[in-house]
Amino acid sequence: GAVVSQHPSWVICKSGTSVKIECRSLDFQATTMFWYRQFPKQSLMLMATSNEGSKATYEQGVEKDKFLINHASLTLSTLTVTSAHPEDSSFYICSAPRGYTRDNEQFFGPGTRLTVL
Amino acid sequence: SQQGEEDPQALSIQEGENATMNCSYKTSINNLQWYRQNSGRGLVHLILIRSNEREKHSGRLRVTLDTSKKSSSLLITASRAADTASYFCATDRRNQGAQKLVFGQGTRLTINP
Repeated sequence: GAVVSQHPSWVICKSGTSVKIECRSLDFQATTMFWYRQFPKQSLMLMATSNEGSKATYEQGVEKDKFLINHASLTLSTLTVTSAHPEDSSFYICSAPRGYTRDNEQFFGPGTRLTVL
Repeated sequence: SQQGEEDPQALSIQEGENATMNCSYKTSINNLQWYRQNSGRGLVHLILIRSNEREKHSGRLRVTLDTSKKSSSLLITASRAADTASYFCATDRRNQGAQKLVFGQGTRLTINP
């Protein structure tokens, strides 16, 4: 089956630093990827849609200058949390649909746990 | 914002029993999907049901969809301890050609041995 990887799986950083999270589709190409954040015992909240070769589309209330998204190739999207603060601590998950089909089945990465001290 | 609501929020049953989780949504959909998430991990796609379908089966899973009530249910039969996880419904909304999912709040299922 389709596999999506994320790196790193966890990261601890100091307040004010920037953290980059990678999302890769390993055995398929993804022109679109999605980034979510999830707080403990809560649901996934869509942050943005990453589009290969063009700007990301951000959901309402998500600061695009805070969460920089780059989709430089058909297999890689990156999310950079700039000037991270403790309130940015969360579980970040990416997903990708496998091809443009009528059904929008998503393949999810294993997630990245960010802790900002 | 999340449009899906799931109930119960938490469910604890004995191994071997059936588990039923419900999901409601507010807008029209193309399809509804159920995902499973083990603690601290990513999501795994379980089953998809299209808006013109009423029931679907996959192994021990049975999903129903009632578009008139904007609701769906997921039934897991003969539950096992390994079924312990959080279960989320997600509705397919299309946006300028990109397809994005809106997730429900989830049901935390615990199967007691």
